[in-house]
Amino acid sequence: GAGVSQSPSNKVTEKGKDVELRCDPISGHTALYWYRQSLGQGLEFLIYFQGNSAPDKSGLPSDRFSAERTGGSVSTLTIQRTQQEDSAVYLCASSKATGGEETQYFGPGTRLLVL
Amino acid sequence: GIQVEQSPPDLILQEGANSTLRCNFSDSVNNLQWFHQNPWGQLINLFYIPSGTKQNGRLSATTVATERYSLLYISSSQTTDSGVYFCAVSYTGGFKTIFGAGTRLFVKA
Repeated sequence: GAGVSQSPSNKVTEKGKDVELRCDPISGHTALYWYRQSLGQGLEFLIYFQGNSAPDKSGLPSDRFSAERTGGSVSTLTIQRTQQEDSAVYLCASSKATGGEETQYFGPGTRLLVL
Repeated sequence: GIQVEQSPPDLILQEGANSTLRCNFSDSVNNLQWFHQNPWGQLINLFYIPSGTKQNGRLSATTVATERYSLLYISSSQTTDSGVYFCAVSYTGGFKTIFGAGTRLFVKA
């Protein structure tokens, strides 16, 4: 079946503009994660969704960042009033979250450049 | 918060050599995964291994949860093994996933 998909693949924006990044998880996966990876760095957890439960937003770096997941499937990460330090690769992952194996499957990422 | 440390940070191998990568974590975890990030940035899950030992071809992994470490073994390395290897954990009672800084591996032909 199809893997995790993300769009756009690349996004160049001007400082101060808002951007929306999209993630389509693997069908049937109830858990969805967003991460940020700055150049040459490890992955930084941003937010976690699980079914209809309240999301874990503990990793969002500021109130300019928000995310939603509609219908338990597609998720959108929104960054308002972008800053140059927001430039990074934004990665989405999904898992079955059955309480057993919690393997995360990653999408290809969205490369965001804020000028 | 939970700390994840990986070693070595960088590793250069001659094709055909074996290697061991280590991941230490600071608290009880309910989820530990090893990932390979290829030179094009794609992250591939290698193992889901909160405890015990697993093998998949030339790769194997062992997690000793009581001693808070995990090892990834790569045997007969190939140039396609190059990339960054990440260890990622979730602490008991939560789903927030913490990644280590990674081990950057380069395999020379």
